[in-house]
Amino acid sequence: GENVEQHPSTLSVQEGDSAVIKCTYSDSASNYFPWYKQELGKGPQLIIDIRSNVGEKKDQRIAVTLNKTAKHFSLHITETQPEDSAVYFCADSYNFNKFYFGSGTKLNVKP
Amino acid sequence: NAGVTQTPKFQVLKTGQSMTLQCAQDMNHNSMYWYRQDPGMGLRLIYYSASEGTTDKGEVPNGYNVSRLNKREFSLRLESAAPSQTSVYFCASRSLAGVYNEQFFGPGTRLTVL
Repeated sequence: GENVEQHPSTLSVQEGDSAVIKCTYSDSASNYFPWYKQELGKGPQLIIDIRSNVGEKKDQRIAVTLNKTAKHFSLHITETQPEDSAVYFCADSYNFNKFYFGSGTKLNVKP
Repeated sequence: NAGVTQTPKFQVLKTGQSMTLQCAQDMNHNSMYWYRQDPGMGLRLIYYSASEGTTDKGEVPNGYNVSRLNKREFSLRLESAAPSQTSVYFCASRSLAGVYNEQFFGPGTRLTVL
């Protein structure tokens, strides 16, 4: 079955620095790659997504890049703030039916 | 507009007991999903329903059954609970309309099986 690997499992940065989280996937048919933020005691919430026909997408301080050849995609957060502290999950899907999630990255932004 | 709601929030079962986790959405979404989240393993898909009247197995369906009662409701049943089913369960829904395909998640049900 599909396998999504996510690194690092924990990431600690100073406020204002950038954070990068990387994921690799195995199914070359995957065509949708969302990123979720999960705060303690809550369900995941979509923060940005990208489709396989696009190489990069940006939304204010958050960006996602996709390299289909290498089968990896990354989340970039610039100018990090304490409220960015949470667990982040990558995922992939083929045509939005089954979704496969990475194991998560706990981001700690130190003030 | 409550989004995705799940009941109960917490549940403790003994091995062998059965229970049903309830999920409802008020966003008129077509697709609904059940996931479990275990420490260090992310979310794993148990079952999904692409549209009313259809259900399909996900990554880890063994020990579970589902019912898509109507467009709003999607329930998950544990017939004979086992300690390995101790987890946090999330329900999600997604619209098929338009180009924006976000999954909306409920707040989760924390289940402990003793």
